[in-house]
Amino acid sequence: SQQGEEDPQALSIQEGENATMNCSYKTSINNLQWYRQNSGRGLVHLILIRSNEREKHSGRLRVTLDTSKKSSSLLITASRAADTASYFCATKGNNRLAFGKGNQVVVIP
Amino acid sequence: DGGITQSPKYLFRKEGQNVTLSCEQNLNHDAMYWYRQDPGQGLRLIYYSQIVNDFQKGDIAEGYSVSREKKESFPLTVTSAQKNPTAFYLCASSEAGGHETQYFGPGTRLLVL
Repeated sequence: SQQGEEDPQALSIQEGENATMNCSYKTSINNLQWYRQNSGRGLVHLILIRSNEREKHSGRLRVTLDTSKKSSSLLITASRAADTASYFCATKGNNRLAFGKGNQVVVIP
Repeated sequence: DGGITQSPKYLFRKEGQNVTLSCEQNLNHDAMYWYRQDPGQGLRLIYYSQIVNDFQKGDIAEGYSVSREKKESFPLTVTSAQKNPTAFYLCASSEAGGHETQYFGPGTRLLVL
């Protein structure tokens, strides 16, 4: 069953601005992952945060996890046109990875 | 280059026809997965395999079949029993333990004639 639910569904920003998207889930998790998908392509893993971690950074990406609120956020700083893509959160619960419906992010040059 | 390949990129199916989607990986990963993605939707798990000669049904296995005779290969057959097969199909793999970081192929788009 699908757990992750991203919010908002679509985001349009100017190049150089920050983009923030959220993900909520319903049950306890082992880890939460974020993936990027360019149009018509496969998904690319961005970052994994474990349930005992609160924040993680990777380059221009910052992920937070609040297990008490069952939510996570992905921040992309100083966005670039190449960041235009759909972003999915995926939660690992009972030996299964469940994907959300994705956030469409458009970065305008 | 290490990675996952899927073929073909586009596949057309006629009524009553079975079609097979190929997925090959050279990452030496034990676990492999098949997902279906519909427009504006997330990924739904069809089948997964954590070891050679073993596989389990995912959330939407009806109308699909798989085999895992070799570690590097996990083909998916879309049977005539799958009444709404038009979708984007993604194959992925991960290291032993399953369902950790997954590496995806480029996908196959299946269309019905």
